[in-house]
Amino acid sequence: DAGVIQSPRHEVTEMGQEVTLRCKPISGHNSLFWYRQTMMRGLELLIYFNNNVPIDDSGMPEDRFSAKMPNASFSTLKIQPSEPRDSAVYFCASSVGTSGRGWQETQYFGPGTRLLVL
Amino acid sequence: AQTVTQSQPEMSVQEAETVTLSCTYDTSESDYYLFWYKQPPSRQMILVIRQEAYKQQNATENRFSVNFQKAAKSFSLKISDSQLGDAAMYFCAYRTLNDMRFGAGTRLTVKP
Repeated sequence: DAGVIQSPRHEVTEMGQEVTLRCKPISGHNSLFWYRQTMMRGLELLIYFNNNVPIDDSGMPEDRFSAKMPNASFSTLKIQPSEPRDSAVYFCASSVGTSGRGWQETQYFGPGTRLLVL
Repeated sequence: AQTVTQSQPEMSVQEAETVTLSCTYDTSESDYYLFWYKQPPSRQMILVIRQEAYKQQNATENRFSVNFQKAAKSFSLKISDSQLGDAAMYFCAYRTLNDMRFGAGTRLTVKP
């Protein structure tokens, strides 16, 4: 099993540029989560999808952030325009499901994308 | 507010010894799950152990075990026979139907 795949692993960009982070969940998992990790705020849940549908995006910091999941094997997190305070490690995680009792399933994390906005 | 507190920013243990990492949480939910994740320098988040809140029996995974005290809302992690590879950041987390929260982490150092 390849695990959760994220790309790129590192991204350096300038303020104002658009940034797109990509995630491929584990095959067979139908829930996907995006997290942001910073020294100041720790690990924060930004948004999660179930069966490609966004369920809760209350953690998305502002309108500059958007996430999509066009199919079961791919998701993107986009920041437009990016700002220096967006610098963080962004993790994607997937789990078997959140329908019914599935929400308790263990989440498996990708390796993360380290974003630096200059 | 639902929170997770790890009161030990750093811990140190001698190789082969036992160490306990503390975690407390605050939630009004009755149905939830608790997790310990390990994050080595590679930054990968690795599941160490999980506990269902409705189970009284403490979870165990090889050298890792938990002490789950539901009434006290405490969920500590015990690492027995510590190994050099156990050195990492350890995050306590809980999950409810609509939320997932992580603690600030405890950095564990293992001395040879």
